[in-house]
Amino acid sequence: QVQLVESGGGVVQPGRSLRLSCAASGFSFSSYAIHWVRRAPGKGLEWVAVISNDAKNEYYAASVKGRFTISRDNSKNTLYLQMNNLRPEDTAVYYCARGGVHWYFDLWGRGTLVTVSS
Amino acid sequence: EIVLTQSPGTLSLSPGERATLSCRASQSVSSNYLAWYQQKPGQAPRLLIYGASSRATGIPDRFSGSGSGTDFTLTISRLEPEDFAVFYCQQYGSAPLLTFGGGTKVEIK
Repeated sequence: QVQLVESGGGVVQPGRSLRLSCAASGFSFSSYAIHWVRRAPGKGLEWVAVISNDAKNEYYAASVKGRFTISRDNSKNTLYLQMNNLRPEDTAVYYCARGGVHWYFDLWGRGTLVTVSS
Repeated sequence: EIVLTQSPGTLSLSPGERATLSCRASQSVSSNYLAWYQQKPGQAPRLLIYGASSRATGIPDRFSGSGSGTDFTLTISRLEPEDFAVFYCQQYGSAPLLTFGGGTKVEIK
C-alpha cells in the first residue's frame, strides 16, 4: 500500500526539542523529494521544509529556518524533522507529503500533532 | 512571497448544486503552477488539481480547475455528499517558496 505515516508528535515545553519521523511504503522512496507541511489549530496549511530525493538539497520556510532540520534515510525509507528551540506558534499537525513532478504534493500522511506549551 | 487569498471562506450548498471556489494570487503565478487540495476532518489532504487545470489520478471529472495569472477557480459541477470538506489552493511557481491559501469550507446547507 502506497502510504506515508508520521510519528513522534507530543506535548513539549517551549525551548525544547522534538524529532518527527515519516515512514514511507509502497513506492520508491529514494526517487522522490519529500516535504513537511503543517496546519496550526484553526489555521490553513503552511509549507515547512523539503529535502531532495538524494538528500543533497534542503529548503526551509523562513519561520523555521535555523531551528528545524529535515533529513532522510533512504535505506530505511524514512524522513525526519528535527525541531529545536520550539515555540508555542509551532503547535500544529505536521504532515509529510511526497513531491510531485513539480513542487506540489501528490501523497500525504495523516499527520502527527505537536503541542508546544508550558 | 506570493499571497493566495481564497474566497468565500465558507460556502453553504446542497448536494447536487454547483460549487465555485476562488483563489487569487498577489502576483502572477509562474507557468500557472497552482494546485488544489481537499481535506476532510481527521484525514490527510488529497491532491485534486495541479497545473491549474490537470486532474490528479483518480479524481472524478466533476472536479475541474481553471484560470491563469492571478485568478484561479475550482469548480465542482454537482456536489456529492462526500465532497463536503475544506479546499486549499497552493502555488508552486515560486518554488522553493511555496504558499497555500487560507482555505474554503464547503458545508452542507
